[in-house]
Amino acid sequence: DAKTTQPPSMDCAEGRAANLPCNHSTISGNEYVYWYRQIHSQGPQYIIHGLKNNETNEMASLIITEDRKSSTLILPHATLRDTAVYYCIVRVGLNRDDKIIFGKGTRLHILP
Amino acid sequence: GAGVSQSPRYKVAKRGQDVALRCDPISGHVSLFWYQQALGQGPEFLTYFQNEAQLDKSGLPSDRFFAERPEGSVSTLKIQRTQQEDSAVYLCASSFRTDTGELFFGEGSRLTVL
Repeated sequence: DAKTTQPPSMDCAEGRAANLPCNHSTISGNEYVYWYRQIHSQGPQYIIHGLKNNETNEMASLIITEDRKSSTLILPHATLRDTAVYYCIVRVGLNRDDKIIFGKGTRLHILP
Repeated sequence: GAGVSQSPRYKVAKRGQDVALRCDPISGHVSLFWYQQALGQGPEFLTYFQNEAQLDKSGLPSDRFFAERPEGSVSTLKIQRTQQEDSAVYLCASSFRTDTGELFFGEGSRLTVL
C-alpha cells in the first residue's frame, strides 16, 4: 500500500502558485519523498525529490516539514499544461527493494 | 529516440489469446520496471529487473503473467490466456541507478481484452 495521503483533486487558477500537499506520517529516516506527475495518456514524469531539506529545480519546489511527516509540492506559476495527476511517493533510495508504490494521487485542474 | 519506447501502443486481444508487450529502455539503464495501470487508478507495480536479473516479481497478479529481460536491455511482458480484467495500460520504466529514484517511463501499451 502507498505510504502517502493526498487530496483526490485540486483546482488552481492559471498563473497562480499551485500548492499540493502530501502526508507521509510513517516515513522512515532513510526514506526520500518523490513527486511524479502523469499527464493524460502519458507515462508518469519525475518532478523532484528530497530527503529533509527543501529542494528546487526548474519544474517545482519541494517543501518538507521539519518532522518530515508532510510535504508540499509547489508549482510557482501554474499553466494549463500543468493539468495532470500528481503522485507523492516515499521510497528508500538505497534499498534493494526498489519498487515505487504509487497511490491515487491528486488530480490538479488548472483553470483558465 | 532517447526515451523509453514501448510497443505496441495499442493492442486488442480476444479473451484467451496470448499477448507480448515490448519495452526498450534508455540505453545503459540498469533497472527496469513494469507497472499496470487500470483506468482511473495509479500505476501498480508488477516486476523489477536489475540488468537481466528479475529481483522482484511480487506484483505479478497470476502465473499467466511472465516477464523477461534476457540480455539486460529489452524486456518483454507476456500475458497468457488473457482475461477481461487484464485490460489496462502497461507501463515500462527504466533507471540508470537504483538509488536515485528517478524513473523514466514510456508512454505505455494499452491492452484491451474483448
